[in-house]
Amino acid sequence: EDKVVQSPLSLVVHEGDTVTLNCSYEVTNFRSLLWYKQEKKAPTFLFMLTSSGIEKKSGRLSSILDKKELFSILNITATQTGDSAVYLCAVAERPWGNAGGTSYGKLTFGQGTILTVHP
Amino acid sequence: DTEVTQTPKHLVMGMTNKKSLKCEQHMGHRAMYWYKQKAKKPPELMFVYSYEKLSINESVPSRFSPECPNSSLLNLHLHALQPEDSALYLCASSQAGANVLTFGAGSRLTVL
Repeated sequence: EDKVVQSPLSLVVHEGDTVTLNCSYEVTNFRSLLWYKQEKKAPTFLFMLTSSGIEKKSGRLSSILDKKELFSILNITATQTGDSAVYLCAVAERPWGNAGGTSYGKLTFGQGTILTVHP
Repeated sequence: DTEVTQTPKHLVMGMTNKKSLKCEQHMGHRAMYWYKQKAKKPPELMFVYSYEKLSINESVPSRFSPECPNSSLLNLHLHALQPEDSALYLCASSQAGANVLTFGAGSRLTVL
């Protein structure tokens, strides 16, 4: 059975700390790995990774994928209280359907990491 | 408009009620999704529509009935639900060629 496993499940830090969140996966036909941030309700998109070794960056957040070892990390530097959220890792698997030029398919989510940043 | 709008935000229903959840997007996305999320659990896929046609049904019980009346709207009709169906129901959409889903804020459903 395909699996996406995140660690740690929860993390408590103070503002200014750097954190590393982990995501490992075992899927039959990997297509891409995505990171989402979920505060209260709607997951919001952070990164999509498809190639190994290429770091994606957005401000204080960065992420990288290792397709050989089947994992990804999400780094957050100089954490702020606004970074407190659940961080979800998800894997998109092939086959990814394609009808009329629209792609669709299944994202399998990990259980998430609850990050709490104290002032 | 870069949002997926879901209504209602909260819904309480009895096991004999019939209700519907609604989802709307105006980003031109032609794939739309329903996910179910229980407390402290990750979202789980229920249904995928592509070009208004049901493409994936993850063996969801028939008491959940999806409907996609047009390219901007997605409904989830609820009937004879059980208390264990209480959850956050998330709608999402995606554009052609992309794996990135845009999620709505969800509808929090409580079944009494």
